[in-house]
Amino acid sequence: AAGVIQSPRHLIKEKRETATLKCYPIPRHDTVYWYQQGPGQDPQFLISFYEKMQSDKGSIPDRFSAQQFSDYHSELNMSSLELGDSALYFCASSLRGGSPEQYFGPGTRLTVT
Amino acid sequence: GNSVTQMEGPVTLSEEAFLTINCTYTATGYPSLFWYVQYPGEGLQLLLKATKADDKGSNKGFEATYRKETTSFHLEKGSVQVSDSAVYFCALSDRLGMDSNYQLIWGAGTKLIIKP
Repeated sequence: AAGVIQSPRHLIKEKRETATLKCYPIPRHDTVYWYQQGPGQDPQFLISFYEKMQSDKGSIPDRFSAQQFSDYHSELNMSSLELGDSALYFCASSLRGGSPEQYFGPGTRLTVT
Repeated sequence: GNSVTQMEGPVTLSEEAFLTINCTYTATGYPSLFWYVQYPGEGLQLLLKATKADDKGSNKGFEATYRKETTSFHLEKGSVQVSDSAVYFCALSDRLGMDSNYQLIWGAGTKLIIKP
């Protein structure tokens, strides 16, 4: 079965640079979530989208923005990167009218040096 | 607000031992409950779920029962294997409103180490 696809899988950036993470949800899923997971921590919810509209906002810094496109893929744009942004970034997808579980992608490991 | 509390790790067991990882929750309403597993260097995989009281979720020999009276969703496995070594997260899903998506509220995670 098709899963959530994230790219790139690994990314190394320097401080103050920008990064763009991409997420391709499971086909027919209309809802996308972004999470940040620091080492040894549980995932922290950043933002979610439903039908290309922002739905809920979590602890996403103002330096970050995200959007969902007409093909339902989503991009997380991160600017003025800081050392503390180094983390695993997960995308998850679900079908809003269906079951409440979220299906996660493999994650993008971002390292800021 | 909603919250999830799970037992601290690491939990270290020998192969073929019985596993219990405790999870309790606080929620208004009737959330769905989940266990996710994260193997080293990998993403989060849904292990099992339960959507209403007394439901039992099961997968790969793992089980958990949604107990409303004790607000618990403990994860159990009768005989663990080295390959079960991972971090296990308990989570609940709830909606902020009718126009909101479901939100996952996470426990802190429990690292499980199985020794041969």
